[in-house]
Amino acid sequence: KNEVEQSPQNLTAQEGEFITINCSYSVGISALHWLQQHPGGGIVSLFMLSSGKKKHGRLIATINIQEKHSSLHITASHPRDSAVYICAVPNTGNQFYFGTGTSLTVIP
Amino acid sequence: NAGVTQTPKFQVLKTGQSMTLQCAQDMNHNSMYWYRQDPGMGLRLIYYSASEGTTDKGEVPNGYNVSRLNKREFSLRLESAAPSQTSVYFCASHRGGYGYTFGSGTRLTVV
Repeated sequence: KNEVEQSPQNLTAQEGEFITINCSYSVGISALHWLQQHPGGGIVSLFMLSSGKKKHGRLIATINIQEKHSSLHITASHPRDSAVYICAVPNTGNQFYFGTGTSLTVIP
Repeated sequence: NAGVTQTPKFQVLKTGQSMTLQCAQDMNHNSMYWYRQDPGMGLRLIYYSASEGTTDKGEVPNGYNVSRLNKREFSLRLESAAPSQTSVYFCASHRGGYGYTFGSGTRLTVV
């Protein structure tokens, strides 16, 4: 049983396309995290959100606490957005459940 | 620069050798974590430390030990490395209400 499910697992898009990555979770949470990992690179925290919507540049994250669902949107996608995007939610024990990630490839 | 500093970046060990991965953060975070990342498995928690002086096992602790030396530093030790421990290791820190910060990772190969 996975507490965090992401979809799709893999995504290929043409440059300029609007991209949506989804995350569903089964536990009660205080906040949800979106992380980004470039190939061979480190992991960067993109967003932490507990309600509504947050925007940073071309990235938008939304969350619906009642439906236990979050989405990460990328507008006007660019090849440099190619990365693995990971959703994470905290559990009650100061740990985190991680999704297995969505691998995004943006083709020029 | 504020963040999580993790060393070394790369390491090759022979089976049975030991080594310590170092991690330090300068953000005054209470919680620190060690993860391993394997293809198709996502991030798996090895050990974590909720505060200075405390450590707890995560999902995959066997073959590892940790030390929370002080609030800044959290080290991971492999006493007798095995090929199954070939992985990418990430240290991270977190403070309630704020985001995660990850180290840049250690790519470990055990031959």
